[in-house]
Amino acid sequence: GAVVSQHPSRVICKSGTSVKIECRSLDFQATTMFWYRQFPKQSLMLMATSNEGSKATYEQGVEKDKFLINHASLTLSTLTVTSAHPEDSSFYICSARNWDGLGEGYTFGSGTRLTVV
Amino acid sequence: QKEVEQNSGPLSVPEGAIASLNCTYSDRGSQSFFWYRQYSGKSPELIMSIYSNGDKEDGRFTAQLNKASQYVSLLIRDSQPSDSATYLCAVANFNKFYFGSGTKLNVKP
Repeated sequence: GAVVSQHPSRVICKSGTSVKIECRSLDFQATTMFWYRQFPKQSLMLMATSNEGSKATYEQGVEKDKFLINHASLTLSTLTVTSAHPEDSSFYICSARNWDGLGEGYTFGSGTRLTVV
Repeated sequence: QKEVEQNSGPLSVPEGAIASLNCTYSDRGSQSFFWYRQYSGKSPELIMSIYSNGDKEDGRFTAQLNKASQYVSLLIRDSQPSDSATYLCAVANFNKFYFGSGTKLNVKP
């Protein structure tokens, strides 16, 4: 089946620094990837939709200059949290759209736990 | 209005019972519907996908879709303690893929 690799799984960074999270589709080409953020005991909130070769589409309220998304190839999308602050500490998850023969499917990475100190 | 609505629960059922989880969505153009299970601190894992009206069964799980009512449900038969988790309904339409807030299910031994 479709596999999405996300790393790092955990990262601790100092306030004011930037952190890059990678999401790779290992056995399929992903023209569309999604980035989510999940705070404790809350649901996944869609941050942005990333399309290969074009600019990402951000959800309302998500700062595009703070959360930089790059989808330069059919197998890799990256999310960079710039000038991170403690309130950015969260669980970040990527998802890639694929086709399973019956219809579209969405495969998730294992998530990245970001802690900003 | 949220794109996808779910009762947050918790929903408690005894072992062996049927658990019924419900979800409504707002976008009539939605085309694909999914149920995911998520354990604390982990990524969601797909249980079932459904694309057309009616029922779809897979083992102990049955997904039901009613596009006219904009309603999706998941039935879990013979519930087991290992089914205890948060169940997320997700709805997709082209480049949008939204989750509900999830329903926490507790299956009591």
